[in-house]
Amino acid sequence: QQQVKQSPQSLIVQKGGISIINCAYENTAFDYFPWYQQFPGKGPALLIAIRPDVSEKKEGRFTISFNKSAKQFSLHIMDSQPGDSATYFCAASITIQGAQKLVFGQGTRLTINP
Amino acid sequence: NAGVMQNPRHLVRRRGQEARLRCSPVKGHSHVYWYRQLPEEGLKFMVYLQKENIIDESGMPKERFSAEFPKEGPSILRIQQVVRGDSAAYFCASSLNLRGFASSSTDTQYFGPGTRLTVL
Repeated sequence: QQQVKQSPQSLIVQKGGISIINCAYENTAFDYFPWYQQFPGKGPALLIAIRPDVSEKKEGRFTISFNKSAKQFSLHIMDSQPGDSATYFCAASITIQGAQKLVFGQGTRLTINP
Repeated sequence: NAGVMQNPRHLVRRRGQEARLRCSPVKGHSHVYWYRQLPEEGLKFMVYLQKENIIDESGMPKERFSAEFPKEGPSILRIQQVVRGDSAAYFCASSLNLRGFASSSTDTQYFGPGTRLTVL
């Protein structure tokens, strides 16, 4: 019930295309859904995040779509660029005893071909 | 404006040795989280600490692993008698967490660059 399932494992998109990564969760107590971007040898960096009372959030080329009834959320990268090539992790968190415990998906390795 | 710092970045240990991983949070942050990332996998929560207190260690193995966040100095993740299965990247994150509400921007977790532990 604490799992977050992410797909696809890897994704290749042409430059200028739209990259879409999907995640699904079971626990309805999750109250915060961030996406992290990780480059090789680096730590994850927060990209964009959403709360369950909002169905969509857009920041620049990055958009999160959130479907509360289906318990699914997705990341869309518009006009994908080679610099977007990285591993993307969705996550969900629940606050317990003041701790924001992040549960991560398995990751998607995104490659943008020039 | 230094971010989360971790050292060492790479650590090699032989089976049975001890590994000590250090994490200095963002200045002013008093909440520290440790995560473990196995190759080709997502990060797994290990432990959450506030200054001088372990709040949640539900993700940490019961044996050989311990963590602390003293009043002064960095947070330490300690692995005793390491085994090959401990080889992984260990990430520390810190947050400000003024009010403890998960959706507040002050609860954003900022990650360090990680320590890559290799057990021979």
